Amino acid sequence: GAGVSQSPRYKVAKRGQDVALRCDPISGHVSLFWYQQALGQGPEFLTYFQNEAQLDKSGLPSDRFFAERPEGSVSTLKIQRTQQEDSAVYLCASSLAGYLDRTPYSNQPQHFGDGTRLSIL
Amino acid sequence: GENVEQHPSTLSVQEGDSAVIKCTYSDSASNYFPWYKQELGKRPQLIIDIRSNVGEKKDQRIAVTLNKTAKHFSLHITETQPEDSAVYFCAAAPGNTPLVFGKGTRLSVIA
Repeated sequence: GAGVSQSPRYKVAKRGQDVALRCDPISGHVSLFWYQQALGQGPEFLTYFQNEAQLDKSGLPSDRFFAERPEGSVSTLKIQRTQQEDSAVYLCASSLAGYLDRTPYSNQPQHFGDGTRLSIL
Repeated sequence: GENVEQHPSTLSVQEGDSAVIKCTYSDSASNYFPWYKQELGKRPQLIIDIRSNVGEKKDQRIAVTLNKTAKHFSLHITETQPEDSAVYFCAAAPGNTPLVFGKGTRLSVIA
């Protein structure tokens, strides 16, 4: 596809269940980001991958959150033992790596998916 | 870490008027400043961005200005149209830490 694809678009789970959210980035994009967006707020950083390497997971709220990108393309964000405060929209973004920038983060334009709206009952 | 403040939180303008949204940032190392437009239930869409070696950038009805000394940058939309109605987010990137977003401005263009 031409853009970043996320699935499912909507997920309802009961408190305590595990969920898995998928992100398929733009082909050729080396960098992949996960964000959490609460209602009426801007996206907040969760974690960052460059290819299959998870370079930053400082934004993950707790050890219940886990992300992976095993082959450097599709990524999965997993939340274990979900709680009501996990309810939010989870956005994925991808970008080209800015090799010329010589910075840990590419700072190239990030392109977002439509997100997964997660509701925990 | 970086902190981005965005104002106003809501903005209403008459169709055809201009709209200005302002953001300030705290980290002088920030060197990349994108603006995103997000319609209800949709993905944030990059509308314009600027790097720290440039003071102004324009793309048709949209322009962004950057004042590195004062650590603020602004989005200007001229000749607003109803389809410009959305939430706009600014962001700042220091390069060695993740992109930090403002809280957003809800723009309403009244026909």
